[in-house]
Amino acid sequence: AQTVTQSQPEMSVQEAETVTLSCTYDTSESDYYLFWYKQPPSRQMILVIRQEAYKQQNATENRFSVNFQKAAKSFSLKISDSQLGDAAMYFCAFFPGSARQLTFGSGTQLTVLP
Amino acid sequence: GAVVSQHPSRVICKSGTSVKIECRSLDFQATTMFWYRQFPKQSLMLMATSNEGSKATYEQGVEKDKFLINHASLTLSTLTVTSAHPEDSSFYICSARPVWGARTNEKLFFGSGTQLSVL
Repeated sequence: AQTVTQSQPEMSVQEAETVTLSCTYDTSESDYYLFWYKQPPSRQMILVIRQEAYKQQNATENRFSVNFQKAAKSFSLKISDSQLGDAAMYFCAFFPGSARQLTFGSGTQLTVLP
Repeated sequence: GAVVSQHPSRVICKSGTSVKIECRSLDFQATTMFWYRQFPKQSLMLMATSNEGSKATYEQGVEKDKFLINHASLTLSTLTVTSAHPEDSSFYICSARPVWGARTNEKLFFGSGTQLSVL
């Protein structure tokens, strides 16, 4: 079974600063996808960034980037130049090629301080 | 981008009644739809996976007779909470996996969720 661990229930960052959210996972599979989703107060799940396990290059989407360490099974999210609108619950998620279902971490509540 | 429409967004019902939640993929066909349950300040817990034209696969601990899932077409899946009780009150979210979800473009798209309150 796959597990996803987010060890930071809450984080805060000053506006315009950088913050890193951590995520580790456990799997025996070699083919999988990793995602970070954002859930603002509206509760709509929004895809922030995705990473294919076979790609060594870390994914980047504007101010969002990941540090994917496959051997260490680590997948952290870095948010640069934090904005008030980044405040949300962030979920790390694992999608193995075989199991066909998404497993979520417990989430990190991010607060952005003005 | 692909849109998943989920209705209703909020429903209040009396204990003992049944409630149906719809999940539609508006501009794509979905081979698989997933149903999640989320309690306040907690993660999404997978309830069941449904594939068009076949029976849903339920996660351990989820009562299939209570949470009826129908995936009648490639664009519509429904979750019916039968004989609802206050402990069924929760936020329910669906997600859809497109037919075109090639291995290089694996994505899931989420509905906006349904807040169910059972009195």
